Amino acid sequence: GNSVTQMEGPVTLSEEAFLTINCTYTATGYPSLFWYVQYPGEGLQLLLKATKADDKGSNKGFEATYRKETTSFHLEKGSVQVSDSAVYFCALRNFGNEKLTFGTGTRLTIIP
Amino acid sequence: NAGVTQTPKFQVLKTGQSMTLQCAQDMNHEYMSWYRQDPGMGLRLIHYSVGAGITDQGEVPNGYNVSRSTTEDFPLRLLSAAPSQTSVYFCASSPSQGARGETQYFGPGTRLLVL
Repeated sequence: GNSVTQMEGPVTLSEEAFLTINCTYTATGYPSLFWYVQYPGEGLQLLLKATKADDKGSNKGFEATYRKETTSFHLEKGSVQVSDSAVYFCALRNFGNEKLTFGTGTRLTIIP
Repeated sequence: NAGVTQTPKFQVLKTGQSMTLQCAQDMNHEYMSWYRQDPGMGLRLIHYSVGAGITDQGEVPNGYNVSRSTTEDFPLRLLSAAPSQTSVYFCASSPSQGARGETQYFGPGTRLLVL
């Protein structure tokens, strides 16, 4: 079956630091990969996605590259801001399958 | 468009009480689903529906019922609430059955406390 393994949190960084949140996956077939973000008190929002090997998803300064050889989709940002404080979820979805499989989430706190 | 809406935002129940969590979407999406979010466990799929009149179980369906009489609405029913059902519940929808790269759109969540 499908599974997503995410870096354990919480993660605390200073403003302008470099961020990496690791995500690896196990899936049958050829999934699409997603990062969702959940700001305090809100629902999940799509942050970025990639649908095939070597695709790079990007949004709001965040990037993640679909690495089929290492089954990974690590989230990176070069310079984080206090407003990036949130919980980040890695997820996958197989083509033709409605279901999203989520990782456990990583809570990120950025301190000024 | 309002997107995906959920009511109530917060609810306190006593053990054994029943209630219905409401979910509606105005995007004409075929696929709708319910998740629960618990600390350290991410989101787990409770039930889902691929269209009006069609529902199926997800990963953690016990203690919950669903129905889908219209495309827009997908209520989640707790028949006899238990403390283990204390959680945050999210409803989500998407246009179809998993086209490549297609995402799901999430509601703001319902926080449920069962005493």
